[in-house]
Amino acid sequence: ETGVTQTPRHLVMGMTNKKSLKCEQHLGHNAMYWYKQSAKKPLELMFVYNFKEQTENNSVPSRFSPECPNSSHLFLHLHTLQPEDSALYLCASSQDRQDTGELFFGEGSRLTVL
Amino acid sequence: AQSVTQLGSHVSVSEGALVLLRCNYSSSVPPYLFWYVQYPNQGLQLLLKYTSAATLVKGINGFEAEFKKSETSFHLTKPSAHMSDAAEYFCAVTTGFQKLVFGTGTRLLVSP
Repeated sequence: ETGVTQTPRHLVMGMTNKKSLKCEQHLGHNAMYWYKQSAKKPLELMFVYNFKEQTENNSVPSRFSPECPNSSHLFLHLHTLQPEDSALYLCASSQDRQDTGELFFGEGSRLTVL
Repeated sequence: AQSVTQLGSHVSVSEGALVLLRCNYSSSVPPYLFWYVQYPNQGLQLLLKYTSAATLVKGINGFEAEFKKSETSFHLTKPSAHMSDAAEYFCAVTTGFQKLVFGTGTRLLVSP
């Protein structure tokens, strides 16, 4: 496999469920990101990891819990979500966390919260 | 802080017509500018980038963009639209010291 792979592609969950989104990159990059994409809103950066360390958390509610066990894998654990959390969640990676803007995105996980 | 404004949430063109998607940026220091494309049910893909070298930047699929400092613009163009160009296009800016900031996107519709 090449690039950035996200699973599952689609997820429907109730507000009391616990689920996880997975992201894996095969590019040898050191930085990984979670973005939220909602209709009619700019992409929202949620979390940034550089060399497995979290370097940015943009005031994301604690019902979203990221995990980065190594530079190739990133998870987003979901718990007691709200309907407004329904969105496309995009994972991305870059060579380093240098803000040079060249990100490689996965295809996204479409989340629906009932 | 830097920002980008994309004029027009939707742009419609006929196949073979010129594509022009507008992006204006705001930055207190020289910016790095990007265009990303998102095809239906996919993630974003880098189309082209400006990083202070040539002001006319060529990207994939025949797209190009010109950095105009005097107009604080970085508009995306393609001489002749193809049906496969139908997608959402995002302009983005960073200074290299702050996080990448995306615009709200412009959906390009191409009719036969």
